[in-house]
Amino acid sequence: DQQVKQNSPSLSVQEGRISILNCDYTNSMFDYFLWYKKYPAEGPTFLISISSIKDKNEDGRFTVFLNKSAKHLSLHIVPSQPGDSAVYFCAASGVFGNEKLTFGTGTRLTIIP
Amino acid sequence: DGGITQSPKYLFRKEGQNVTLSCEQNLNHDAMYWYRQDPGQGLRLIYYSQIVNDFQKGDIAEGYSVSREKKESFPLTVTSAQKNPTAFYLCASSISGRGGNNSPLHFGNGTRLTVT
Repeated sequence: DQQVKQNSPSLSVQEGRISILNCDYTNSMFDYFLWYKKYPAEGPTFLISISSIKDKNEDGRFTVFLNKSAKHLSLHIVPSQPGDSAVYFCAASGVFGNEKLTFGTGTRLTIIP
Repeated sequence: DGGITQSPKYLFRKEGQNVTLSCEQNLNHDAMYWYRQDPGQGLRLIYYSQIVNDFQKGDIAEGYSVSREKKESFPLTVTSAQKNPTAFYLCASSISGRGGNNSPLHFGNGTRLTVT
């Protein structure tokens, strides 16, 4: 049972435009959410996170939005740059920490120059 | 520079042989983790350790074993009992595995294991 779902396996966006990556979850006990970025043959790197007490968190070009009632979060990248081309994983954890992060299946983002 | 080192990057083994993947971190993190990545399946947790000499099974621990004798090291053994061992294995660490909402995972660059 996939508790964290990224329904779009791939996404292509023109350079300079906004990239929106989506993630849905089913476990109502999740209260901490993260986005990771992964280049081929490398480990994922942490990008941005959000706690369930917030509905938005910004860090430079990256903003994560959380809609708890819909069990949905999204990552906005604006403006998109060629270096943003990578696979993005959404992850979630429960109340007592991130020792058992549950990951989504990833979305491959391609930025078109 | 602090980080997580996984070795080797590529590993080939014959079916029926056990193989051990190395993971070392110099971040002084308490918690360490092993994940497996398969195409279309995201990252799945194999084992994790929140402190030295202690570890817990993750979601797919069958056919794997670990040890945590030192804070900086968390080797993973893929045994012959693991039915589909060919995969990309990722080791990670975090400052704390308890209430660590501000301690995201730091990953190594992975080991790609191929068993034929």
